[in-house]
Amino acid sequence: DQQVKQNSPSLSVQEGRISILNCDYTNSMFDYFLWYKKYPAEGPTFLISISSIKDKNEDGRFTVFLNKSAKHLSLHIVPSQPGDSAVYFCAASLIQGAQKLVFGQGTRLTINP
Amino acid sequence: DVKVTQSSRYLVKRTGEKVFLECVQDMDHENMFWYRQDPGLGLRLIYFSYDVKMKEKGDIPEGYSVSREKKERFSLILESASTNQTSMYLCASSLGGGYQETQYFGPGTRLLVL
Repeated sequence: DQQVKQNSPSLSVQEGRISILNCDYTNSMFDYFLWYKKYPAEGPTFLISISSIKDKNEDGRFTVFLNKSAKHLSLHIVPSQPGDSAVYFCAASLIQGAQKLVFGQGTRLTINP
Repeated sequence: DVKVTQSSRYLVKRTGEKVFLECVQDMDHENMFWYRQDPGLGLRLIYFSYDVKMKEKGDIPEGYSVSREKKERFSLILESASTNQTSMYLCASSLGGGYQETQYFGPGTRLLVL
């Protein structure tokens, strides 16, 4: 059972416009959410995170929004740049116990010049 | 900067071989993790470890074992490699003892089992 879902396998956006990547989760016990970016043949790199006590976190061009009632989070990238082309994974962890992360399937973002 | 290194970037092995994947982190992290990444499935947790000689099963431990004899090193062992273990293997570490931690990943090992 996929507890964290990224329903869009791919997304194509024009350079300079906003990219919006979406993620849904089913487990209401998740309390911390992260976004990772992955280039081919490299490991994922941490991008931004948000605690369940917040609904927004911003870091430069990247903003993550959390809607707990809808069990939905999104990553906004604005303006999008060619170097943002990568696979983006959302991940979630539980309040207690292991600091395990549960990952979504990933969304491949392509920024077109 | 946290540095997580993996012993090989690419490996080709034959069915039935015993395979060792090594991971080393240099930041004195308590927690270490092994994942595999497959298209359309994201990253799935195989095993993790909270401390030296401690290990816990993740979501897909079948066919794998792990070893953590030293804090900085976490090994993934495929006892008898099979073709369905062809995948990208990713090691990660996190500080440990805290709350809402970030995991840091190595570059990955792409394993092909023939």
